[in-house]
Amino acid sequence: GAVVSQHPSRVICKSGTSVKIECRSLDFQATTMFWYRQFPKQSLMLMATSNEGSKATYEQGVEKDKFLINHASLTLSTLTVTSAHPEDSSFYICSARDAGMTSGGGAGELFFGEGSRLTVL
Amino acid sequence: GQNIDQPTEMTATEGAIVQINCTYQTSGFNGLFWYQQHAGEAPTFLSYNVLDGLEEKGRFSSFLSRSKGYSYLLLKELQMKDSASYLCAVLDSNYQLIWGAGTKLIIKP
Repeated sequence: GAVVSQHPSRVICKSGTSVKIECRSLDFQATTMFWYRQFPKQSLMLMATSNEGSKATYEQGVEKDKFLINHASLTLSTLTVTSAHPEDSSFYICSARDAGMTSGGGAGELFFGEGSRLTVL
Repeated sequence: GQNIDQPTEMTATEGAIVQINCTYQTSGFNGLFWYQQHAGEAPTFLSYNVLDGLEEKGRFSSFLSRSKGYSYLLLKELQMKDSASYLCAVLDSNYQLIWGAGTKLIIKP
């Protein structure tokens, strides 16, 4: 099946620094990628929808200046957590929709990256 | 508002069958997904239903009734490795995924 690679899988940084997380679709083109965060024992929370070549769409309550999303190509989206603080420590997961798949009535399947665990000290 | 309900936790015995239910109320409907998530890992896709009925895929089956806003995931011949959280998610009219909180499935020998 389709593969989505996310890097780094774990990152520890000092408070006030910025961290960039990459999400790549390895064998398909993804015009849309999604970024989620997950706090312990909670479900995934959609942060933003990343669209190739245009600005990301952020969910209510998510600071777009703090969580910078760039989707510069059909296979790469990046999430940068700027001026990270301990409360930003979380599990960040990206997913991509294989637009070329016809299963699911054209919606395609969502494929997830491995996740990135961010710890801010 | 939009709402997905599924049980918080279920326990079953190795080799048995378990059914995890999901009810939803969303703005429009473009399909329902089931994902499996082991602790500390990203979710993996299990199934997608957009039409009423049962979809069987090996030991896992998923059922959908759009008129009732209801789905279930059926796991047969349970194995210890099936211990995980199972997430129900609905694609709404804007093609946004609305997630349930997940059902933690505990398998006992």
